[in-house]
Amino acid sequence: GQQLNQSPQSMFIQEGEDVSMNCTSSSIFNTWLWYKQDPGEGPVLLIALYKAGELTSNGRLTAQFGITRKDSFLNISASIPSDVGIYFCAGFRKPSNTGKLIFGQGTTLQVKP
Amino acid sequence: NAGVTQTPKFRVLKTGQSMTLLCAQDMNHEYMYWYRQDPGMGLRLIHYSVGEGTTAKGEVPDGYNVSRLKKQNFLLGLESAAPSQTSVYFCASSYQGLVNNEQFFGPGTRLTVL
Repeated sequence: GQQLNQSPQSMFIQEGEDVSMNCTSSSIFNTWLWYKQDPGEGPVLLIALYKAGELTSNGRLTAQFGITRKDSFLNISASIPSDVGIYFCAGFRKPSNTGKLIFGQGTTLQVKP
Repeated sequence: NAGVTQTPKFRVLKTGQSMTLLCAQDMNHEYMYWYRQDPGMGLRLIHYSVGEGTTAKGEVPDGYNVSRLKKQNFLLGLESAAPSQTSVYFCASSYQGLVNNEQFFGPGTRLTVL
């Protein structure tokens, strides 16, 4: 099935550094979602974006809905060890009577104290 | 609210055995989904349901069956487990999917088939 192109696949950074990751698609989406999955847990919704150009923050996290509607970006500022995990983007396209999301492959983040 | 819960958390099966994974949500969501997660493969949709009494195939439905007899529960069955079904299984639910399509996930079931 279709998947989003998420990059980078993995990152190993020093505590305190900023992090950027993105998702791209050849198709237009109406909603972009960003999830985080802690080791051994299920994905947890971090940020939801519903409008092209929208910029939304959640603490140290900031996500943007690309103007073309074909991409989205997630930034984490001043990373800390608990930021470790896998970050997934997900896109939703209207019309839909199933609510199905299309997921990226995930970005694995490791933070060195 | 407990959100989305899954039972069991862990299970080991022998090839050919059967089992049922239970997903329950207390958010009155219409839509429910079953995914499997394998290393390097991301989340793949197995089956989904858009309401009580309805089910539909997702991306990787072979070897699995589902039932949605009650709105709050979504069951995933493995009739004859195979080693290829070793995976982590996640259930998710969403309100309706037409406008507010945020999916909320359970904690997962880690299944090993020997």
